[in-house]
Amino acid sequence: AQSVAQPEDQVNVAEGNPLTVKCTYSVSGNPYLFWYVQYPNRGLQFLLKYITGDNLVKGSYGFEAEFNKSQTSFHLKKPSALVSDSALYFCAVRAYYNQGGKLIFGQGTELSVKP
Amino acid sequence: EPEVTQTPSHQVTQMGQEVILRCVPISNHLYFYWYRQILGQKVEFLVSFYNNEISEKSEIFDDQFSVERPDGSNFTLKIRSTKLEDSAMYFCASSDALGEAFFGQGTRLTVV
Repeated sequence: AQSVAQPEDQVNVAEGNPLTVKCTYSVSGNPYLFWYVQYPNRGLQFLLKYITGDNLVKGSYGFEAEFNKSQTSFHLKKPSALVSDSALYFCAVRAYYNQGGKLIFGQGTELSVKP
Repeated sequence: EPEVTQTPSHQVTQMGQEVILRCVPISNHLYFYWYRQILGQKVEFLVSFYNNEISEKSEIFDDQFSVERPDGSNFTLKIRSTKLEDSAMYFCASSDALGEAFFGQGTRLTVV
């Protein structure tokens, strides 16, 4: 069975500081991994994905994520946080073998960036 | 840029009434999904649809729910007899086989 865990309900950082939002996953076989962001009263916006290849993937708005197979993690990072990054972030996984299959989402982490 | 569109943005209905939520997926995508989110909480999978049939559904997707792709563009979710606990944001999404799913802006369903 697929599952995703985001161990932190909330992450608080000061503007200009680096940020990390944690995600660990469980899936049979190789994973497809995704990060989405949700602003208040809006839909989910795709940020980045890991399918194969380089373990460090870069996405929208300066975000990046590092795939670590041994730790089954896919943490989201940004070198310098902006106040406008404040939002709800969701990690998601799809099993490699399950083409077109459902995404399973973590419970979400609320990121708050203070000036 | 192609996007998934959903209508209506907000639907208020009385308990026991039928509602139909509508979605227009991205045109060259083959996989379609409905997800539900209750008050900013976890995004829950409801159903996936491929090749004109349901490919997977969750425990939430009981006999009160149905999906349909009536023509080449629309993808609908019907709730036959709404309950108070059906109140949530409903998101439609579409994807190709391997890539990310693109989500619509959602329909806020309020059952009173």
